[in-house]
Amino acid sequence: GAGVSQSPSNKVTEKGKDVELRCDPISGHTALYWYRQSLGQGLEFLIYFQGNSAPDKSGLPSDRFSAERTGGSVSTLTIQRTQQEDSAVYLCASSLASPLVTGELFFGEGSRLTVL
Amino acid sequence: EDQVTQSPEALRLQEGESSSLNCSYTVSGLRGLFWYRQDPGKGPEFLFTLYSAGEEKEKERLKATLTKKESFLHITAPKPEDSATYLCAVQPYSSASKIIFGSGTRLSIRP
Repeated sequence: GAGVSQSPSNKVTEKGKDVELRCDPISGHTALYWYRQSLGQGLEFLIYFQGNSAPDKSGLPSDRFSAERTGGSVSTLTIQRTQQEDSAVYLCASSLASPLVTGELFFGEGSRLTVL
Repeated sequence: EDQVTQSPEALRLQEGESSSLNCSYTVSGLRGLFWYRQDPGKGPEFLFTLYSAGEEKEKERLKATLTKKESFLHITAPKPEDSATYLCAVQPYSSASKIIFGSGTRLSIRP
């Protein structure tokens, strides 16, 4: 596709369930980022991929969060045993170069997660 | 600790009323400073990159400037379609893969 695609766009789950969020980056983009945006807040860095490896996963808030990327393309963010504080919009972004040359990240529209 | 602070949190202007948004930053070596625009329910959209103090970039009614401690996004004669949240972000040399975002300024332009 022409842009970054994320699915699902909305996810409502019960506390304690596991969820998977998917990101399809722009074709050819080697760098992929996950961010989290809580209501009225800025973007919180979670993890960065270069190809299939994750040289920086320092933003993952706990061991309940994990992410993988396969084939240098699609990435999945998994949250185990969800808690209410995990409710947020999860944004994925991709870029051509790493480290960034221009600072231009291309963002998807996000996956809104609500944990009841 | 690398940090980005934006002010004001919200700004309401009349159409045609020019103003500026502020982004203050502390970072251990600035690789680049970025401005993004975010519309409700959408992901952020890239506007500008600034690399060094004194640099300026322009796009339509927007102009971004950079000093050693802060950046300004000047909006000249804004229109209602300029209403959005404007995000500032920095990329430190110490962790070039991590771009640190501020919490944004929510701009509303009344016709």
